Amino acid sequence: EPEVTQTPSHQVTQMGQEVILRCVPISNHLYFYWYRQILGQKVEFLVSFYNNEISEKSEIFDDQFSVERPDGSNFTLKIRSTKLEDSAMYFCASQRGSGSSYEQYFGPGTRLTVT
Amino acid sequence: QQQVKQSPQSLIVQKGGISIINCAYENTAFDYFPWYQQFPGKGPALLIAIRPDVSEKKEGRFTISFNKSAKQFSLHIMDSQPGDSATYFCAASKEGRRALTFGSGTRLQVQP
Repeated sequence: EPEVTQTPSHQVTQMGQEVILRCVPISNHLYFYWYRQILGQKVEFLVSFYNNEISEKSEIFDDQFSVERPDGSNFTLKIRSTKLEDSAMYFCASQRGSGSSYEQYFGPGTRLTVT
Repeated sequence: QQQVKQSPQSLIVQKGGISIINCAYENTAFDYFPWYQQFPGKGPALLIAIRPDVSEKKEGRFTISFNKSAKQFSLHIMDSQPGDSATYFCAASKEGRRALTFGSGTRLQVQP
């Protein structure tokens, strides 16, 4: 069964450093999402991406965040200058987006620790 | 108006019992309501989902009940098993291809 994969599983970085989180969505899916979950809290939407552009973003997704689909398979989230409060689990999700298919499938996540 | 309120925060059920988790929403534009199951250290896994044109959907031991007029929906887990012990999140989205708004989660513990 196809699944969303994410790398790395755990990233430790120092405050102010740039990090890139990588995701490989399910092939033939058209919509891609990033969510984050601070430890013990609910999952929060960051950004959605369709047809090579951002389709929706939340207030959390400020200028220090960016997303990219550099090739036909990878989908990345870049945090330019990390802050302590960026420490969280980051989940990528993909959605087929055709017909009546609304299901979003999540990857296993990347745990980002900012020290 | 974008919030989805979920209760209870935690739930303990005996093996074989029924687990019931409730969610309420305000935004009438929401038209897709999934439930996710999350085990520690893992990503949310889609469990079951419903759209407002039906009042109930059942898949195996899992049932969603949907009350459009009350803007509420609930997850029922029949014959709960210890392997069901996890955190459950309800969610909602508009037009089906947009951001999911998640509830705060319910930690379910099924005792053997």
